Amino acid sequence: ETGVTQTPRHLVMGMTNKKSLKCEQHLGHNAMYWYKQSAKKPLELMFVYNFKEQTENNSVPSRFSPECPNSSHLFLHLHTLQPEDSALYLCASSQGQAPNYGYTFGSGTRLTVV
Amino acid sequence: GESVGLHLPTLSVQEGDNSIINCAYSNSASDYFIWYKQESGKGPQFIIDIRSNMDKRQGQRVTVLLNKTVKHLSLQIAATQPGDSAVYFCAENNAGNMLTFGGGTRLMVKP
Repeated sequence: ETGVTQTPRHLVMGMTNKKSLKCEQHLGHNAMYWYKQSAKKPLELMFVYNFKEQTENNSVPSRFSPECPNSSHLFLHLHTLQPEDSALYLCASSQGQAPNYGYTFGSGTRLTVV
Repeated sequence: GESVGLHLPTLSVQEGDNSIINCAYSNSASDYFIWYKQESGKGPQFIIDIRSNMDKRQGQRVTVLLNKTVKHLSLQIAATQPGDSAVYFCAENNAGNMLTFGGGTRLMVKP
């Protein structure tokens, strides 16, 4: 385990469902991220939170809604997704604005939209 | 965690040989670079990093070389082992605390 835990590991949902992905870190990091890793593209940044405040929304469709209640937890709320949203969703954390050790990633949630 | 379907460059090496994985980065203002390893079913794992004031950094069996003139980064793995089989990504930090990732290279180690 890396210290960043993502649940669930696998999720299959219909296009009309609402589901949430969860990420938890106990590394004392202040910044948390959502990345999308799909079959056709490299890692794509979705959202950045620094000290619980969203500092980056990388033109992500509104059907993805992040939530960061505290520095240790990050959620990604999903609703009315499309089949092209099927991908591996990775959460990462880092120590603030000047990373000395890069990001620590979770193992991801493999999402399939049917 | 595998990039299934993504057409990744693939490097195939014999067990025990040295591997060199290359990466071209895009922003001359980038000042921090990282190599990640992603095994099947897992998220990317930090391997080694280097700052722009260095040309070379060594870890355990791994060396990262940075050529700022041509914006090129390489990862050298000595005495490659079957457990080194994975997808390797380079990343550059060119905007505060955000990393931009390359497309990745798949390393296959033949026994």
